[in-house]
Amino acid sequence: RKEVEQDPGPFNVPEGATVAFNCTYSNSASQSFFWYRQDCRKEPKLLMSVYSSGNEDGRFTAQLNRASQYISLLIRDSKLSDSATYLCVVNAGNQFYFGTGTSLTVIP
Amino acid sequence: EAGVAQSPRYKIIEKRQSVAFWCNPISGHATLYWYQQILGQGPKLLIQFQNNGVVDDSQLPKDRFSAERLKGVDSTLKIQPAKLEDSAVYLCASSFLGATQYFGPGTRLLVL
Repeated sequence: RKEVEQDPGPFNVPEGATVAFNCTYSNSASQSFFWYRQDCRKEPKLLMSVYSSGNEDGRFTAQLNRASQYISLLIRDSKLSDSATYLCVVNAGNQFYFGTGTSLTVIP
Repeated sequence: EAGVAQSPRYKIIEKRQSVAFWCNPISGHATLYWYQQILGQGPKLLIQFQNNGVVDDSQLPKDRFSAERLKGVDSTLKIQPAKLEDSAVYLCASSFLGATQYFGPGTRLLVL
């Protein structure tokens, strides 16, 4: 079983739509959680960390459910510039595990 | 603040040749990571250094891959000999005390 699993998509949504991605992890001892964004042919960049209490940054909301071992990312009012691959990252035992990424395309 | 630097950005070699990649992490970042990212997949950790010591190299194909970080700053990753399946982007990342990772631009390797 993979450490981190994501639906690869692709998700194609119109501008202004709300879209949600989920990610599950297998190690119950995982300590920290992140969403990274990766544009085509670019390196991954941190989008936001995910805290147990949930956190919001503008149009982006991340949530963690430790009991069910999943994290989510909600993007409201999608912009064309949100088109990218979103990588779920889990830190367990000081090791980082990446999901395969979920591809999002926002359509005009 | 300067980011993670990597070179070269692109490399094309023939199978069975050797290749080396270089990474300079963000100043002060003790932890350095090398990842392999194959098209359509997430990054896979190859090796993790804490200063000049190896923390995890369990997924490094040691028969052909090697890495070092002799002075606890710069690092090199070498492949010898290369195989077709080594074609990928090799990403270097660094972090301060194992927190948020910052990635370099990567080296795109094509093995023919």
